Order: sequence, then C-alpha cells, then structure tokens
Amino acid sequence: KQEVTQIPAALSVPEGENLVLNCSFTDSAIYNLQWFRQDPGKGLTSLLLIQSSQREQTSGRLNASLDKSSGRSTLYIAASQPGDSATYLCAVPDAGGTSYGKLTFGQGTILTVHP
Amino acid sequence: EAEVAQSPRYKITEKSQAVAFWCDPISGHATLYWYRQILGQGPELLVQFQDESVVDDSQLPKDRFSAERLKGVDSTLKIQPAELGDSAMYLCASSLGLANEQFFGPGTRLTVL
Repeated sequence: KQEVTQIPAALSVPEGENLVLNCSFTDSAIYNLQWFRQDPGKGLTSLLLIQSSQREQTSGRLNASLDKSSGRSTLYIAASQPGDSATYLCAVPDAGGTSYGKLTFGQGTILTVHP
Repeated sequence: EAEVAQSPRYKITEKSQAVAFWCDPISGHATLYWYRQILGQGPELLVQFQDESVVDDSQLPKDRFSAERLKGVDSTLKIQPAELGDSAMYLCASSLGLANEQFFGPGTRLTVL
C-alpha cells in the first residue's frame, strides 16, 4: 500500500525567503506526482504535475523535482509572499490494479508567510 | 477556464438524516472521483468512475453511502443515514482518463450534528 509523507508539517517564514517542502513515497512504481495548494475551507488547486520521466517541472516561482528511485519529491518556492500562505499537498496515483489512477495524498505542509 | 462544479458548498444536517452532493466534471473528462477529507488530513478516495462505470469503490461505506453517474457526465453522492463521523469535506475531481492530471472542485463541507 502506497504511503506518502510530507515534512515539515508546518512552516512559518518571513516574506522573501526561499523555501523547500518535502514529500516522500514508499512505492516508486508511479507514473506522475502532483503538487496541490489548498486554502482554508476550499478545494484543491493543482500547482504542478511532474511525469515519472521528468526530473523537474517549473511554473513561475515554483519548481518541483522528482527522484523516483529514492521515492522523493521537493517543491521549491522562490521569494515567498504572504499570498503563498496555504496548505501544500503532494499526491501520487496508484499505477495498477482496480485502483489505477487513485491519488494517495500526504497530510500536507501548512505554510505561513508573514510580512 | 473549465472548472469542476459542486453543490451545495456547505451542508448542515442532523444525524440519521439523508444528504446528497452533486458534481459536474470538466466537459469531456471521462474519469470522475469522489474524495473525503477529514480536517487536518489529506483526501482519501471514496469512489472512482470511468464514464458511467464504477472502477473502484472499495473504500465506500456501502451500508450508508451510494454514488452514481448515470449518463457518464455529472454524479451524485448520497449518505443515508448520516452519522457524526461523516462530518468532513467532500471533494469531487475529474480527469481526461485514469492516468491524467486530476482537477478538483471547491468541495462540499458537511457538518453532522
């Protein structure tokens, strides 16, 4: 059974800092990995999807890396802003069986960026 | 930009009552998912559809939960009777196919009193 762990559980930084969120997964037989953002009481917004054949994916100030063999991904946020405050979730899909495509999520990292 | 629609956004009900949630996926998306998210945790899959067929409902409490996607487009998730432990955010997501990026709706926040 796939297990996803995110470290740290919470992070508080001053505005302008560069920061790294970590995600690890136990089963490396994945075909992609998604990073999501969730604001309090809201749904999930897809930030980046990185295919298993890729090592990095970038969108604006966000950069996600994937090391499939070691079961790790990182989300790098450059020049953080108060508007980046949210919960960040990583998720990997099941790659076989009847649950193919089902996402397994980590518990998230709660990010607070203070002015 | 196309979005996944869900209604209602909030629902408060008493235990033993019936509740229903509706989801309209992005047009053309064949795969639809219902996830449940308890406060402070990541979402967990309840049921997955490919067109109108159930692909995976192994985590759906079938004694009280039911889900349908009759015409392979929109979907309804029902709980009857609701229990206190059902209080959670219910999220719908859709994707072009089983291996594609998933897009989530705004969710329905259920409170059972």
